[in-house]
Amino acid sequence: AQSVTQPDIHITVSEGASLELRCNYSYGATPYLFWYVQSPGQGLQLLLKYFSGDTLVQGIKGFEAEFKRSQSSFNLRKPSVHWSDAAEYFCAVQDSSYKLIFGSGTRLLVRP
Amino acid sequence: EPEVTQTPSHQVTQMGQEVILRCVPISNHLYFYWYRQILGQKVEFLVSFYNNEISEKSEIFDDQFSVERPDGSNFTLKIRSTKLEDSAMYFCASSAAQGVYEQYFGPGTRLTVT
Repeated sequence: AQSVTQPDIHITVSEGASLELRCNYSYGATPYLFWYVQSPGQGLQLLLKYFSGDTLVQGIKGFEAEFKRSQSSFNLRKPSVHWSDAAEYFCAVQDSSYKLIFGSGTRLLVRP
Repeated sequence: EPEVTQTPSHQVTQMGQEVILRCVPISNHLYFYWYRQILGQKVEFLVSFYNNEISEKSEIFDDQFSVERPDGSNFTLKIRSTKLEDSAMYFCASSAAQGVYEQYFGPGTRLTVT
């Protein structure tokens, strides 16, 4: 069965520091992968997506993610974190019936 | 920019009562979804809907749940007799088509069953 694992429940970084959030997926075919962000009291906002082609994808708010098939990973990165990036981040894979399967999420805390 | 809207933002109900959660998808979208997120847990798929029919439903989506698109704009999720374990954030999403099309999510309705 398809699944998504986000091994880090919480991550704390200092403002201005770089960030990497980990995501591993289990899916038999070519995956369609997504990163969503959820700010407190808000819905899910799409940060970026990977369907095919270039394995390094750029998203909104300065985020990028790299698809590595050999590692079944789709890690999210940002070179310099801002306090407004504090939120919960969800990785998801779209299965063959097009529904999204989400990971458990990683809560990002930003130290001033 | 078009967005998915949901009402109410928060609903409190007593166990055994019926609730209807409402969503207005993006106007030219054809595929509609409900997901839920129990506090502290992952977002889970409930149901997908296309052409006035359920396309797929999860095992969570039992006979107590139903969905409807009563007019050209609204998409509703009804829970007939709520249970304590139905307390969750419910998200509506829509997409223009299936396949490599992103799903746009609404802000969610927090349902609290007491």
